[in-house]
Amino acid sequence: QSALTQPASVSGSPGQSITISCTGANSDVATYNRVSWYQHHPGKAPKLMIFEGNKRPSGVSNRFSGSKSGNTASLTISGLQADDEAHYYCCSYVGSFWVFGGGTKLTVL
Amino acid sequence: QVLPQESGPGLVKPSETLSLTCTVSGDSISSYPYYWGWIRQPPGEGLEWIASIYYDGSTYYNPSLKSRVTMSVDRSENQFSLKLSSVTATDTAVYYCARHNFGSVSRPFDSWGQGALVTVSS
Repeated sequence: QSALTQPASVSGSPGQSITISCTGANSDVATYNRVSWYQHHPGKAPKLMIFEGNKRPSGVSNRFSGSKSGNTASLTISGLQADDEAHYYCCSYVGSFWVFGGGTKLTVL
Repeated sequence: QVLPQESGPGLVKPSETLSLTCTVSGDSISSYPYYWGWIRQPPGEGLEWIASIYYDGSTYYNPSLKSRVTMSVDRSENQFSLKLSSVTATDTAVYYCARHNFGSVSRPFDSWGQGALVTVSS
């Protein structure tokens, strides 16, 4: 079973941009369009923010964007807002298996 | 709006079987192209995919849990269920049910329940 590595925490001030990385141990994220990203506020249902690497579901702000470089996928949040403070998880679909990253705690200073 | 909702015992004894049900409102569990899945989060840890099922009973299982997991669908009740046998304390987690969009190549989980805490303890 492969694993996706995310930084444990990132932080930024309101209005700034931050990027959360998601690195695959094998070729998990090499297939770019199989990565999705989720936002999770404690005690609430996780929310899909990005799918197919860089697509946003209806209703998700265009402040959220996805990208990839090599075997690393990234989530960028621009114009940070207080409500963005949450945990963020990447997920890769690998054949008939789904693997999540360990999660990144975003703190808005 | 699709609203999955988990239900089941919050406390299970070691070696017994954990049983959870997800009742779906706002969508038919037979809708194409959606699968339905279970994901869990142990305390202080990240998310782990457990298994997914289609309305016709087709399933995908996490290889690390496959020997202990069974999923089923009840179309008449618009529900699907999870059974995890021979539980230990390491199975203590918040269990989420979610809709799984197979219309996308990334097969994302596009609607989630609020989660149900299951504690394994004697």
